[in-house]
Amino acid sequence: GAVVSQHPSRVICKSGTSVKIECRSLDFQATTMFWYRQFPKKSLMLMATSNEGSKATYEQGVEKDKFLINHASLTLSTLTVTSAHPEDSSFYICSALMGYDRYTFGSGTRLTVV
Amino acid sequence: DQQVKQNSPSLSVQEGRISILNCDYTNSMFDYFLWYKKYPAEGPTFLISISSIKDKNEDGRFTVFLNKSAKHLSLHIVPSQPGDSAVYFCAASAVTGGTSYGKLTFGQGTILTVHP
Repeated sequence: GAVVSQHPSRVICKSGTSVKIECRSLDFQATTMFWYRQFPKKSLMLMATSNEGSKATYEQGVEKDKFLINHASLTLSTLTVTSAHPEDSSFYICSALMGYDRYTFGSGTRLTVV
Repeated sequence: DQQVKQNSPSLSVQEGRISILNCDYTNSMFDYFLWYKKYPAEGPTFLISISSIKDKNEDGRFTVFLNKSAKHLSLHIVPSQPGDSAVYFCAASAVTGGTSYGKLTFGQGTILTVHP
C-alpha cells in the first residue's frame, strides 16, 4: 500500500511553454503533499507544501507565480512550471503524507527545457 | 542554513562489513527522523525512522541510533551488500498543528558503495 504515482517521468519542453506534473496517491488519501526539486548531486529542496482545498505554502525563494501548485482533491496534486526556461531544468519529486507520519515519494519527473 | 547535515559525501565499504552513515541536525524542534535510499532519477525509498522518544530502532539489517543531546543520528547497515550501493539521505521533521508531521528537511546525502 501507500503508492504515489508521478508522471510524466520525463518531459522535454521548449523555452516559454508550460509543463504540468501530476502526483497521485493511488490507495490512500493524502491531505498533505510536498513538492521537491533536486539538482544534480544535490539534496532534495522543498519547494512547497500543498494541502487539499487550500493554497500551497511556498518555501522562501520559490516563485509561486512560476511554480503553480494545485491540490484539488485528496488524491491529486499538480505542479505547473509556467513559462519554463532552461534554468528550470531539474528533477522534481512529489511526496504524500499518509496519516500521522508516513511519507511516500513519487518516482520523480526529469524536466528538460530547451 | 543547512538544518540537516551529512558531512560525509561518500563511503566505501567491503561486502559483509558494517556501513555507518552519519547525520547531524541543528533544529531542536525536529522530533522525527527518517533515512531514505535513492537511485539517480528515482524517488527516495523509505528505509527506517525513529522518533525522539527512542534512541534506537532496528529493522532487519538496518539500525538507526539517535543521540538527542548531540543532535546526531546514524544509520548502521550490517552486513552490507553490494545492492545497498546508493545515495542515502537522512531527513527530519517536526509535528505541525499537533495533528501530524510536516515537511521533511533533507541532508545532502551520502553515496554508499559496497564492494564485493
